[in-house]
Amino acid sequence: GAVVSQHPSWVICKSGTSVKIECRSLDFQATTMFWYRQFPKQSLMLMATSNEGSKATYEQGVEKDKFLINHASLTLSTLTVTSAHPEDSSFYICSARKGLAGTDEQYFGPGTRLTVT
Amino acid sequence: AQTVTQSQPEMSVQEAETVTLSCTYDTSESDYYLFWYKQPPSRQMILVIRQEAYKQQNATENRFSVNFQKAAKSFSLKISDSQLGDAAMYFCAYRSEGSARQLTFGSGTQLTVLP
Repeated sequence: GAVVSQHPSWVICKSGTSVKIECRSLDFQATTMFWYRQFPKQSLMLMATSNEGSKATYEQGVEKDKFLINHASLTLSTLTVTSAHPEDSSFYICSARKGLAGTDEQYFGPGTRLTVT
Repeated sequence: AQTVTQSQPEMSVQEAETVTLSCTYDTSESDYYLFWYKQPPSRQMILVIRQEAYKQQNATENRFSVNFQKAAKSFSLKISDSQLGDAAMYFCAYRSEGSARQLTFGSGTQLTVLP
């Protein structure tokens, strides 16, 4: 089956610093990648959608200058949390889809737990 | 915009018994997909089952089946012969057939399986 990896799985950073999270599709090329944020015991909230080689589309209320998304290749997308603050502490999940057909599945990474101190 | 509602924040079931998780959604579209995802304590999202709206037949995957009522905009998940490993958060999700095609998730139902 299709595998999506995320790195790191857990990161602690100090307030004011930036942290980068990588998302890779290991055995398929992902035309579209998604980034979600999940607070404890809550649902997944879509932050942005990115297509390879083009700018990400951010959901309403998501600061694009704070959450920088780069979909550099068909197998790699990165999320950079800039000038992180404690309120950015959360679980971040990426997801990747092979193509644009309605039948194309969306595969999820294992998530990254970010703690900002 | 589409919305997905899961009205049961928590459910419990005895091992080997059957449990049904509810989901309703709101949409004006005729073509779309519905999904149930499982999120165990590891937090890895796992696809349980999917349903294409144009198919009248309810999807089944081993012990998991759905009751898809398109007119009522209802999409419930039935888990038969519940196992301890079924304990997880379950999310119902909607995906448009249109250009957007991102998943819209419900709020989730935490399922506990009692031994």
